[in-house]
Amino acid sequence: AQKVTQAQTEISVVEKEDVTLDCVYETRDTTYYLFWYKQPPSGELVFLIRRNSFDEQNEISGRYSWNFQKSTSSFNFTITASQVVDSAVYFCALSEEIGGGSNYKLTFGKGTLLTVNP
Amino acid sequence: DGGITQSPKYLFRKEGQNVTLSCEQNLNHDAMYWYRQDPGQGLRLIYYSQIVNDFQKGDIAEGYSVSREKKESFPLTVTSAQKNPTAFYLCASSIRGWNTIYFGEGSWLTVV
Repeated sequence: AQKVTQAQTEISVVEKEDVTLDCVYETRDTTYYLFWYKQPPSGELVFLIRRNSFDEQNEISGRYSWNFQKSTSSFNFTITASQVVDSAVYFCALSEEIGGGSNYKLTFGKGTLLTVNP
Repeated sequence: DGGITQSPKYLFRKEGQNVTLSCEQNLNHDAMYWYRQDPGQGLRLIYYSQIVNDFQKGDIAEGYSVSREKKESFPLTVTSAQKNPTAFYLCASSIRGWNTIYFGEGSWLTVV
């Protein structure tokens, strides 16, 4: 069965600090996709990134960067120079094909609550 | 603006009553989903639908029902058979065959 583990339940940092959110996954699929979502206090899940299992290049988007290491089954997320607006719950997720193909569901970790203090 | 609209945002229900959560999307997505989120937990899949007039049970379908009569709409009914219905419910959609799923703003259901 698929599994996503976010061992950090809560992290608290001071503004401008860098912070890394850990994600470890388990899957038997050879092809799979990993995701990060942000859930601000309003509740909506905001899509941040999608990465397929064949692409191990690190990705950077502004202050956000992602480190995918297939050898350790990890897909970690770093926020550089954190800001108060980064405060949210962050979810890592793993896709799984369902319904006979051409459709997917996501298996989510339990999330990491990030609090950035001024 | 294109998006997924859930209503109501907050809902209170008495024990023994059924309640229906609305989900509408104008993204022209074929697939729609309902997830449940409990405090400190990840999201768990309740039901999903790949096309109109078809839907499948997810991991925690007991006590819930859905319909998919229109492409844009995927309402979720929380029945009295659901033993612990108080939770945050998230509707989502995606292009069929594409695994990036987009979410609505969610609905809080409280049983009183």
